[in-house]
Amino acid sequence: AQTVTQSQPEMSVQEAETVTLSCTYDTSESDYYLFWYKQPPSRQMILVIRQEAYKQQNATENRFSVNFQKAAKSFSLKISDSQLGDAAMYFCAYRSMTNYGGSQGNLIFGKGTKLSVKP
Amino acid sequence: ETGVTQTPRHLVMGMTNKKSLKCEQHLGHNAMYWYKQSAKKPLELMFVYSLEERVENNSVPSRFSPECPNSSHLFLHLHTLQPEDSALYLCASSQDMGLGYTFGSGTRLTVV
Repeated sequence: AQTVTQSQPEMSVQEAETVTLSCTYDTSESDYYLFWYKQPPSRQMILVIRQEAYKQQNATENRFSVNFQKAAKSFSLKISDSQLGDAAMYFCAYRSMTNYGGSQGNLIFGKGTKLSVKP
Repeated sequence: ETGVTQTPRHLVMGMTNKKSLKCEQHLGHNAMYWYKQSAKKPLELMFVYSLEERVENNSVPSRFSPECPNSSHLFLHLHTLQPEDSALYLCASSQDMGLGYTFGSGTRLTVV
C-alpha cells in the first residue's frame, strides 16, 4: 500500500521569504499523481499544485513550485515570497493512476505540516 | 463558494443520539467521498461513491452509515457514536474519481 510521509509537523517562515515543505512517499507504481493541498483555519482543503509522475518538469503555480524527485520518491513544496495568507496546514497527497476503482483511485494524505508566517 | 457544501458546520451530539451529516455538490462530479480528519493523524478515507454506488468502505464501524441518493448529495448517518469519533468530517467530490478533489469545509463533530 502507498504511504505519504511529511516529516515536519510545523514550519515557520518570515514574510517575503522562501520556505520548503518536505514530502516523501512510498509506492511500487510508476504512474501516479501527487498533490499539495492547503487547509487554512476555514477548514476547506484547497488544491495548491499537482504533479503528474510521468512529467519530468516540475509543476509551478505562481509563487508555489515543487521539486519532484521520482527516484527518491520526494515531492517538496517551495513557497516563494511568503505571505500572511499562506499560513495554514499543508498536506501532501498521492493518487494512483493505475485504475479508477477501489483504493488505488483515492487520495492518500500525509499528516500535514503547519506553516506559520511571521510579519 | 467552493461548490461543495457541508451542513451542519458544527455538531455536538450525545452517544445515544442519531444525527446526519449532509454534503451537496453542483459541480457535475460523479464521485463523492467522506474523510475523517483527527488531530495529528492523516486524513482517513471512510467511504467512496462512484456513480451513486459505494465502491469502498474502509472498515468503518457500522455506527457510520453513508447514503448517496443521487450524484449531487451524500449523507453520513450517525448513531451511538463514541467520544473517539469526535473529529472533522470532510466531504469531497471529483469527476470520474479523477485528478482533483473539491472539498467542503467540513463538519466539526463533538461526541459527548
